[in-house]
Amino acid sequence: GAGVSQSPSNKVTEKGKDVELRCDPISGHTALYWYRQSLGQGLEFLIYFQGNSAPDKSGLPSDRFSAERTGGSVSTLTIQRTQQEDSAVYLCASSFAVAGGPGELFFGEGSRLTVL
Amino acid sequence: RKEVEQDPGPFNVPEGATVAFNCTYSNSASQSFFWYRQDCRKEPKLLMSVYSSGNEDGRFTAQLNRASQYISLLIRDSKLSDSATYLCVGRSSNTGKLIFGQGTTLQVKP
Repeated sequence: GAGVSQSPSNKVTEKGKDVELRCDPISGHTALYWYRQSLGQGLEFLIYFQGNSAPDKSGLPSDRFSAERTGGSVSTLTIQRTQQEDSAVYLCASSFAVAGGPGELFFGEGSRLTVL
Repeated sequence: RKEVEQDPGPFNVPEGATVAFNCTYSNSASQSFFWYRQDCRKEPKLLMSVYSSGNEDGRFTAQLNRASQYISLLIRDSKLSDSATYLCVGRSSNTGKLIFGQGTTLQVKP
């Protein structure tokens, strides 16, 4: 499809396991964001990529969280040694935008992570 | 202080009412502004950009007040389908990153 694609859509894991969440942005989009959202809460910024580089990693909650983006396209968010408080919907979004550009972010449907 | 701050609400209004939301921003999130809408259990989608001169799109009007560092969204003649969370967004002047507020929840009742 033409939109932002995220996988898996749902993931249930046991505490202490590692998980990988994948995001396929819209082709040609240079900016890519990861957010997480707990039930009834706002969007929590995690990390922002421009191309393959991450000018802002300030939102990653701990060193258990890491993300990479290769080829200016697909991004993977990895959570090591998952904890119950990591349970949330992880949203990826992409945009053509660079500083000063249009503000439309296109979001994927999210990956719902449940840590038991 | 948060870079982009909103009253979470909820705002409960009857159909046909006019409702306004404000959002304040800090200097670091002041390059440009947007309103997004998020329906329950759905992803956010762009509602409208906010221009310095103010702009209108049908029943929706967005305004920017740089002196007081706030933006507003006015919804006229509210419909049941307007029920959603409205997210205020500012762009960082340093990195270009889009910064989301916590959202304001609107419930329009019959």
